[in-house]
Amino acid sequence: KAGVTQTPRYLIKTRGQQVTLSCSPISGHRSVSWYQQTPGQGLQFLFEYFSETQRNKGNFPGRFSGRQFSNSRSEMNVSTLELGDSALYLCASSPGTSGIFYEQYFGPGTRLTVT
Amino acid sequence: AQSVTQLGSHVSVSEGALVLLRCNYSSSVPPYLFWYVQYPNQGLQLLLKYTSAATLVKGINGFEAEFKKSETSFHLTKPSAHMSDAAEYFCALLSGGSYIPTFGRGTSLIVHP
Repeated sequence: KAGVTQTPRYLIKTRGQQVTLSCSPISGHRSVSWYQQTPGQGLQFLFEYFSETQRNKGNFPGRFSGRQFSNSRSEMNVSTLELGDSALYLCASSPGTSGIFYEQYFGPGTRLTVT
Repeated sequence: AQSVTQLGSHVSVSEGALVLLRCNYSSSVPPYLFWYVQYPNQGLQLLLKYTSAATLVKGINGFEAEFKKSETSFHLTKPSAHMSDAAEYFCALLSGGSYIPTFGRGTSLIVHP
């Protein structure tokens, strides 16, 4: 079974631009979560989508948004980029149920650099 | 509120020595606990998880962790470190019917030859 894929792997943008990152989950997984990872803040939860609906949201400004399509693929968008948005953005997929069957499978991430 | 604390941002061991990475948690309900490993420029990979079936959990690559409720700990161990174990390790907690795990800040394992 193919793992979680994220595109692109690396991205360089300029302050003020916007960016869209893509994530394809493991086949059959209905939940996709996004995380921002930085050396200073560690892993921070952005949002989680389940069956095209945002089910959970972290504490990030409205510039960060996402969506999930009917095939469970997900995109996240960051508008008006700031230097502090430079980070590794990780996508994780899971079957979507909590409890003992819960496991998240992570993609390799997209390294975003804002100049 | 739930939280995870990983003691020591860096742990250094010699090849062949015991690896011990510490994780303490806080949760008002019985938790599910996870250890992940992250190699440079890669995503997180699940090492093992505790789901209340057994307090000693065996994972991949020779790692294991023991759940100790009285100490609210879930420390990760490996009897003999290998150079390939050098990576960042994250402890995570899931509780209360949540779908979103809480991650610790991570511990960087350095293995010396």
